[in-house]
Amino acid sequence: GAGVSQSPSNKVTEKGKDVELRCDPISGHTALYWYRQSLGQGLEFLIYFQGNSAPDKSGLPSDRFSAERTGGSVSTLTIQRTQQEDSAVYLCASSPLVGRAGNTIYFGEGSWLTVV
Amino acid sequence: GESVGLHLPTLSVQEGDNSIINCAYSNSASDYFIWYKQESGKGPQFIIDIRSNMDKRQGQRVTVLLNKTVKHLSLQIAATQPGDSAVYFCAERLNDYKLSFGAGTTVTVRA
Repeated sequence: GAGVSQSPSNKVTEKGKDVELRCDPISGHTALYWYRQSLGQGLEFLIYFQGNSAPDKSGLPSDRFSAERTGGSVSTLTIQRTQQEDSAVYLCASSPLVGRAGNTIYFGEGSWLTVV
Repeated sequence: GESVGLHLPTLSVQEGDNSIINCAYSNSASDYFIWYKQESGKGPQFIIDIRSNMDKRQGQRVTVLLNKTVKHLSLQIAATQPGDSAVYFCAERLNDYKLSFGAGTTVTVRA
């Protein structure tokens, strides 16, 4: 597709359930990011994937959060045993380049997660 | 209209006027900066970027200014239109890939 695609766009889940959020980056983009945005707040870095390198997981808030990227393309963010404080918009982004040569990052529309 | 000072969360501007949105960044080693626009219910949309070896860059109706001495970034929007109403975020690149975002400024355009 032309842009970063995320699904589902909206998800309501019960506290304690697991959820999976999917991201399909722009074709040919080697770098993929997950960010979280709570209501009225800025963007919080979660995790970064680049090619076959080990991902930077330094932003994941707890061990209930995990992410994988299969085949260097699609990524899935999994939240286990969801809590109400996990309610937020989860944004995926991708970029075509890495390194100091230039790194414009393009975002998807986000997955709005509500934990009830 | 202008968000005076380091950062104000809201800016109200008359349609047709110029807008100036200010942002202070934290890391003097940051080498790349981006402005994003986020409309309600949508993801952040890239507006314009600038590298640290520049102090000004112009796009269509937008200009970004970078002052590395005081670690300050601004976005100027010429002839603000109703469609410019949104939240604007500045972001700095802290290493080769990670962006750190400011809190955002909500711009409201008055007809």
